[in-house]
Amino acid sequence: DVKVTQSSRYLVKRTGEKVFLECVQDMDHENMFWYRQDPGLGLRLIYFSYDVKMKEKGDIPEGYSVSREKKERFSLILESASTNQTSMYLCASSHPTNTEAFFGQGTRLTVV
Amino acid sequence: QKEVEQDPGPLSVPEGAIVSLNCTYSNSAFQYFMWYRQYSRKGPELLMYTYSSGNKEDGRFTAQVDKSSKYISLFIRDSQPSDSATYLCAMSGGYSSASKIIFGSGTRLSIRP
Repeated sequence: DVKVTQSSRYLVKRTGEKVFLECVQDMDHENMFWYRQDPGLGLRLIYFSYDVKMKEKGDIPEGYSVSREKKERFSLILESASTNQTSMYLCASSHPTNTEAFFGQGTRLTVV
Repeated sequence: QKEVEQDPGPLSVPEGAIVSLNCTYSNSAFQYFMWYRQYSRKGPELLMYTYSSGNKEDGRFTAQVDKSSKYISLFIRDSQPSDSATYLCAMSGGYSSASKIIFGSGTRLSIRP
């Protein structure tokens, strides 16, 4: 069974903290994605990566960075968390054909 | 204008009804079309995907793509309360390192027993 695992389901952090969200996939997929999901706004792409050490900005990269040192792991970093980054964060991976993206369970991040 | 438009709903129908969910898009380069189902507090799960125009059936679910109209649909027959979820359409240009998967905003569906 294919699996995308996010390190935390729920996270509470303080304003200004550095936050790491980790994602691991076991499907040997080249492509990995980070989205945030907010009511009424749907899924918005933050960053994606199509290979180790490769990354591209999505639609809303401001305030975020990413790291992909190994093929199976894609990390999202909030350099200095702010309250407007309170959201559900979803990691996904896919084959290069991009026919199907498989999602993790999501991390609900609250910044107080 | 968004690349992918989807009515957010909510849509409420009685059990057993046929449900029709739709998306429109503007980018003619899209080749792969997907439907995801997302239950509350969970990640989206892939329901179906189709390549280019045409129909695809899987049990009670049928996906249709009309590339000439830039319109895709998901039909659910004999709807069940367990079908209550948010349904997201998604699409991509296919094999390309720069090809992103673009999602609709999702339609919230409720099936009344």
